[in-house]
Amino acid sequence: EAGVTQFPSHSVIEKGQTVTLRCDPISGHDNLYWYRRVMGKEIKFLLHFVKESKQDESGMPNNRFLAERTGGTYSTLKVQPAELEDSGVYFCASSQDPGPLHNEQFFGPGTRLTVL
Amino acid sequence: GEDVEQSLFLSVREGDSSVINCTYTDSSSTYLYWYKQEPGAGLQLLTYIFSNMDMKQDQRLTVLLNKKDKHLSLRIADTQTGDSAIYFCAVNTGFQKLVFGTGTRLLVSP
Repeated sequence: EAGVTQFPSHSVIEKGQTVTLRCDPISGHDNLYWYRRVMGKEIKFLLHFVKESKQDESGMPNNRFLAERTGGTYSTLKVQPAELEDSGVYFCASSQDPGPLHNEQFFGPGTRLTVL
Repeated sequence: GEDVEQSLFLSVREGDSSVINCTYTDSSSTYLYWYKQEPGAGLQLLTYIFSNMDMKQDQRLTVLLNKKDKHLSLRIADTQTGDSAIYFCAVNTGFQKLVFGTGTRLLVSP
């Protein structure tokens, strides 16, 4: 069974440009999460989808970030316009069990974004 | 909100035991996790422990939880060079999202 996949693996853009990251969760997983790790710091939660609905977007840094999950399958995370501080590794994760306690999240390899 | 702290770096020799430590602030944390990230790969769940346990063992891995001190540790016995990676502690307070530490880079030398 395929795991969580993310595209692209790396992206280098200039400040002010737009970038769109894509995540394909494990088939059948209703829950999809985005996280971000800025260089050397902790991995921080950005948002959580249940199917196509945003369940929790409390971690989104500002309105330059837009996440979508049309049809409840893959998700995109768009940054427009990108700023230097947006550089980091963006992880996507998915999970099947919607229970509030043990919630094994399966992570993708991440997209490394560099904003110059 | 929840805060999770880890030391940044640990270096051991092959065959030794490694102990990676983590502290957290929210006493309502229910499940606590250890993830491993190898170069170029995603986060792999190694093990987890429920907050009503104080120890869990899984082959070479031992997780110890001290709820009073809000301290979690991961012990890797007979550490191998293939164990070199970044290890992340994460907690789930019941709101679906995971709160991670900064990660501890483990370097195992022959």
